[in-house]
Amino acid sequence: DAGVIQSPRHEVTEMGQEVTLRCKPISGHDYLFWYRQTMMRGLELLIYFNNNVPIDDSGMPEDRFSAKMPNASFSTLKIQPSEPRDSAVYFCASSLAWAGVSNEQFFGPGTRLTVL
Amino acid sequence: KNEVEQSPQNLTAQEGEFITINCSYSVGISALHWLQQHPGGGIVSLFMLSSGKKKHGRLIATINIQEKHSSLHITASHPRDSAVYICVFQRAQGAQKLVFGQGTRLTINP
Repeated sequence: DAGVIQSPRHEVTEMGQEVTLRCKPISGHDYLFWYRQTMMRGLELLIYFNNNVPIDDSGMPEDRFSAKMPNASFSTLKIQPSEPRDSAVYFCASSLAWAGVSNEQFFGPGTRLTVL
Repeated sequence: KNEVEQSPQNLTAQEGEFITINCSYSVGISALHWLQQHPGGGIVSLFMLSSGKKKHGRLIATINIQEKHSSLHITASHPRDSAVYICVFQRAQGAQKLVFGQGTRLTINP
């Protein structure tokens, strides 16, 4: 398996533009997580899905952020409109399960977003 | 009060030294993870613990549920161990949310 795949790896955009980040989890993994990492706040969980259903989105910073998982092999994180303070590295991760020995998370390489 | 405290924040050591990074938490947890983030940014899950001790190569992770404390040890440290190490736990009750430690930046000098 190729691991968790994220695209793009780097994104530079202007304030006000819509940004869409993409993630392909490891095949067979039931859980998908979106994280944001900044120097100020460290790593933060934004939202996670179980079997394509959003379970906890309490980490999503505001209504400008939305995430979808239309099928088991694809998820998007959208920011509309983007703001400079959204600049961060966004990680996607997947795991087989939530509890027990199978909940090791596998992280994608991240998308470095810069909003000018 | 933070639910998790990780220490130290920064640690510099010489190659070969024994390294300990600590993580203390204040709520009931179902599992605790140790993550490693290399300077290039990639994140790797090192361990998932719910009790006892796990060992992988030169890395050892322990957890004491009663004392609400976990440690990550590195034996015979090497410059390639230089990274940020982050503890993450899952709350046992309430929202199934992950809580992250602040991270420990480890630098091993040759």
